[in-house]
Amino acid sequence: GQQVMQIPQYQHVQEGEDFTTYCNSSTTLSNIQWYKQRPGGHPVFLIQLVKSGEVKKQKRLTFQFGEAKKNSSLHITATQTTDVGTYFCAGRTNAGGTSYGKLTFGQGTILTVHP
Amino acid sequence: NAGVTQTPKFQVLKTGQSMTLQCAQDMNHEYMSWYRQDPGMGLRLIHYSVGAGITDQGEVPNGYNVSRSTTEDFPLRLLSAAPSQTSVYFCASSARGYSNQPQHFGDGTRLSIL
Repeated sequence: GQQVMQIPQYQHVQEGEDFTTYCNSSTTLSNIQWYKQRPGGHPVFLIQLVKSGEVKKQKRLTFQFGEAKKNSSLHITATQTTDVGTYFCAGRTNAGGTSYGKLTFGQGTILTVHP
Repeated sequence: NAGVTQTPKFQVLKTGQSMTLQCAQDMNHEYMSWYRQDPGMGLRLIHYSVGAGITDQGEVPNGYNVSRSTTEDFPLRLLSAAPSQTSVYFCASSARGYSNQPQHFGDGTRLSIL
């Protein structure tokens, strides 16, 4: 079945340093979504990428979708303590049949930021 | 505007007991899903529904049952709890066009099986 691998599992940074998490799929994705989960909270939708090579920015966050639509990345510039949490990617293939309701999540990257 | 509401927030069960985790959404979303979250495993899909009366299995369905009699509600039943089902359970909903719509998650149910 479809697998979505996310690395690294953990990342510790000093406040002000940059952070990147990577997501790789075993199959071509139709789109990819990114979520953030604060400690003790629930995942919250950040953004969706659909097009090959797409790049989107949200303030200090930059999201990229690979040309082959099999990988994606999230980059945070100049981290702040408010960036602490777990970042998940979630991808879906264009599989036919009735399996159109399944998003596959990566394992997540836990980000800690030291002030 | 409640969004996705899960009850209970915490629960402790003994092995072999049964229980139902409740999930309700007030956004008229067609798609609803149940995930479990375990350390280092991310979010794994248990069951999902694309509308009232329609359910399908996800990645880890064994030991769990679901039904969808209304658009609003999507309960998850544990028939005979096992320690391996200790986890945090999240319910999520999304509008039609599941794969292209953001998922809205509830606050989760933290379940411990002794």
